[in-house]
Amino acid sequence: DAGVIQSPRHEVTEMGQEVTLRCKPISGHDYLFWYRQTMMRGLELLIYFNNNVPIDDSGMPEDRFSAKMPNASFSTLKIQPSEPRDSAVYFCASRGQGAVAFFGQGTRLTVV
Amino acid sequence: AQSVTQLGSHVSVSEGALVLLRCNYSSSVPPYLFWYVQYPNQGLQLLLKYTSAATLVKGINGFEAEFKKSETSFHLTKPSAHMSDAAEYFCAVSVSQAGTALIFGKGTTLSVSS
Repeated sequence: DAGVIQSPRHEVTEMGQEVTLRCKPISGHDYLFWYRQTMMRGLELLIYFNNNVPIDDSGMPEDRFSAKMPNASFSTLKIQPSEPRDSAVYFCASRGQGAVAFFGQGTRLTVV
Repeated sequence: AQSVTQLGSHVSVSEGALVLLRCNYSSSVPPYLFWYVQYPNQGLQLLLKYTSAATLVKGINGFEAEFKKSETSFHLTKPSAHMSDAAEYFCAVSVSQAGTALIFGKGTTLSVSS
């Protein structure tokens, strides 16, 4: 298996623009997680899904953030409009029936 | 709710020295505990996990950790540091029943000098 695949790896955008981050989980995994990593706050859980259904979105910072999982093999995290303080590395992770979560390589977002 | 505290944001050791990275957890139910490693510009990779079996857990690259319920600790150790161990290390907790996410500590950066 290719592991969790995230795209793009790097994204630079201007303030106010819409940004969409993409994630393909490991086939057969029924949990998908979105995390954000910054120097100040470390790794924060934003939202997670089970069988494509959002379970806990309490970590989503503002209404500007939204996440969807239209099917078992694809999820998106969207920021609209983006702001400089959204600059961070965003990780997607997936988990099957075991306890271990597998992480993608991350998307480094820079909002200028 | 669960939480993790990693003591020391930065640890420096010499090559060949003992590595000790500290992690304390808080959980109202029996926890699952994990250590992940992150190399620069990469994602997180699992080092080892505790899921209520043996309290001394061995992982990859010579690392091990011991679950101590009385101390609510899950410290990571390696007898002899190697230059390639330089990375950021994260301790994480989840609860034993299904349906929860990993909660991470702030991370500890390990530096290894020759």
